Amino acid sequence: SQQGEEDPQALSIQEGENATMNCSYKTSINNLQWYRQNSGRGLVHLILIRSNEREKHSGRLRVTLDTSKKSSSLLITASRAADTASYFCALPSQRDSARQLTFGSGTQLTVLP
Amino acid sequence: DVKVTQSSRYLVKRTGEKVFLECVQDMDHENMFWYRQDPGLGLRLIYFSYDVKMKEKGDIPEGYSVSREKKERFSLILESASTNQTSMYLCASMGDRRGNTGELFFGEGSRLTVL
Repeated sequence: SQQGEEDPQALSIQEGENATMNCSYKTSINNLQWYRQNSGRGLVHLILIRSNEREKHSGRLRVTLDTSKKSSSLLITASRAADTASYFCALPSQRDSARQLTFGSGTQLTVLP
Repeated sequence: DVKVTQSSRYLVKRTGEKVFLECVQDMDHENMFWYRQDPGLGLRLIYFSYDVKMKEKGDIPEGYSVSREKKERFSLILESASTNQTSMYLCASMGDRRGNTGELFFGEGSRLTVL
């Protein structure tokens, strides 16, 4: 099944700076989702972007999707220490595109106060 | 508020023991999933269920089984735990969105250590 590949694996920034992480994939998709995971906790859904959308916003989050390049990016603006977490992109499984999701290894973001 | 509850946050078991990980959701979701998460490997799907008494193998089902007797409850069973099953186990549920993947709601995770 298809798996997204996040880049970079780890990112360390100062509070107030913007953080950008990327996700690349191999085959066409209907949508792409981003999740966040605080250390030792479950994942929390952040945003879903459909294949016919190019950009989506939610608070300080901005997600873009470029289907021609098969890539997505997640931008967190004006980062805070509380944004420190792992971020994952999730793609519909090729086996059953209706309901299964596959996850990459994530980007570990550290925001320094 | 949507809630997925995993029965144990931390478990320590011995090799060969039978282990039950329980997951309950209160959203009346049809779909439930068990993932395991290991450093550098991301989340890998073990089993999933689209309906009561229904189960399907995910990417790594070996050494695991599941049970879904009631819509709200999805149990993961390790018949004979082994040290390579030491991991974080994550349960998730999703409402039915025919033909379109929806949002997954995750529990807090169960960290299992097998000695």
